[in-house]
Amino acid sequence: EIVLTQSPATLSLSPGERATLSCRASQSIGSYLVWYQQKPGQAPRLLIYDTSYRATGIPARFSGSGSGTDFTLTISSLEPEDFAVYYCQQRKTFGQGTRLEIK
Amino acid sequence: EVQLVESGGGLVQPGGSLRLSCAARGFIFSGYWMTWVRQAPGKGLEWVANIKQDGSEKYYVDSVKGRFTISRDNAKNSLYLQMDSLRAEDTAVYYCARVINQYDTADYWGQGTPVTVSS
Repeated sequence: EIVLTQSPATLSLSPGERATLSCRASQSIGSYLVWYQQKPGQAPRLLIYDTSYRATGIPARFSGSGSGTDFTLTISSLEPEDFAVYYCQQRKTFGQGTRLEIK
Repeated sequence: EVQLVESGGGLVQPGGSLRLSCAARGFIFSGYWMTWVRQAPGKGLEWVANIKQDGSEKYYVDSVKGRFTISRDNAKNSLYLQMDSLRAEDTAVYYCARVINQYDTADYWGQGTPVTVSS
């Protein structure tokens, strides 16, 4: 069973800064990683699929990269609406989430 | 516009049953795998079950096998989750979602329906 470990658990940054979120798999998963964003009281929202493809309507400041066991979600310049919890997923396994909070 | 609307959640005693429903609109429901994902209070996401387009394949997380049953009615554009022998640890918000590929990527989600298992 694959385990996804996200780091850091919490990331404190200011609007305009660059955010780098990590997701590490316990074994190689190729390029099939997904990222979701979830805001309080809302359903998750698909951001990135197949490691690096932005979902429909997702701004270009969101990008994904990686392969094998190490993956990254990058937000190039944080907007106020980006502060949320981010989850990675590989098939039926989710990471535990990274909370992105305003510094 | 794609819409998924869950219903059927509520308060139930341990050992009891609930049936969740998810009404789908705005897309060809019979053309997609569908999934249920849950989120316990203050916790992360947990995949629960998947069902193939025609209902011929179903998969469950180990913790619900033998207790939960996923099903669908393509004529009614509806997805269901029958939950029996409920336990306190099943307490969560349950989301239905549309799956768009073989890697379980979920592109549209409902708003969720809360289930509380407590005496």
